[in-house]
Amino acid sequence: DIQMTQSPSSLSASVGDRVTITCRASQSIRNYLSWYQQKSGKAPKLLISDASSLQSGVPSRFSGSGSGTDFTLTINNLQPEDFATYYCQQSYSTPQFTFGPGTKVDIK
Amino acid sequence: QVTLKESGPALVKPTQTLTLTCTFSGFSLSTNGMRVSWVRQPPGQALEWLARIDWDDDKFYSTSLKTRLSISKDTSKNQVVLIMTNMDPVDTATYYCARTTYNFGPLDYWGQGTLVTVSS
Repeated sequence: DIQMTQSPSSLSASVGDRVTITCRASQSIRNYLSWYQQKSGKAPKLLISDASSLQSGVPSRFSGSGSGTDFTLTINNLQPEDFATYYCQQSYSTPQFTFGPGTKVDIK
Repeated sequence: QVTLKESGPALVKPTQTLTLTCTFSGFSLSTNGMRVSWVRQPPGQALEWLARIDWDDDKFYSTSLKTRLSISKDTSKNQVVLIMTNMDPVDTATYYCARTTYNFGPLDYWGQGTLVTVSS
């Protein structure tokens, strides 16, 4: 099975900051990588697919990059509504999806 | 507008069988490429993919749970059913259903989730 790791596991940031979250796969997954945002008590929301494709309606301050084994989610100009947990997920070994352990972004 | 909603018991006893239903709208599971997955999340933990059923009735299961899972669909009712046998307290989690529209694709729409507690 493909294993996904994320770093950091949590971070504290201020409104207006730039935040970078890293996701690493245990083997190449090409660009079959998605990012989700999950707020407390809510379902995950798809932000980015295919490593860098921003979903319709998602603010442009979110961006994704990477391919192969290393990927990055960047949030520019962090807003109050962005405080949440973020998960990466690989779909290379579809349908055996695997998710990363998550990165919690909270207020400094 | 695509929506999905999970339903099922909130509490099951150890060794019992869990049956969850995902009722969706805004798409048809008879349309080429459509797929519905089940994903769960224990309290405070990460997401775990469980099973998927495709428009052509192909079925796929988590390697670690495949002996306990069964997934089926009723296209006329726009429903997908997940059955998990021999429930254990470690299976306590929020269970979600979610849609995929193409192979290698992401889970683009999710249900709100249903919390299932396993306790005697």
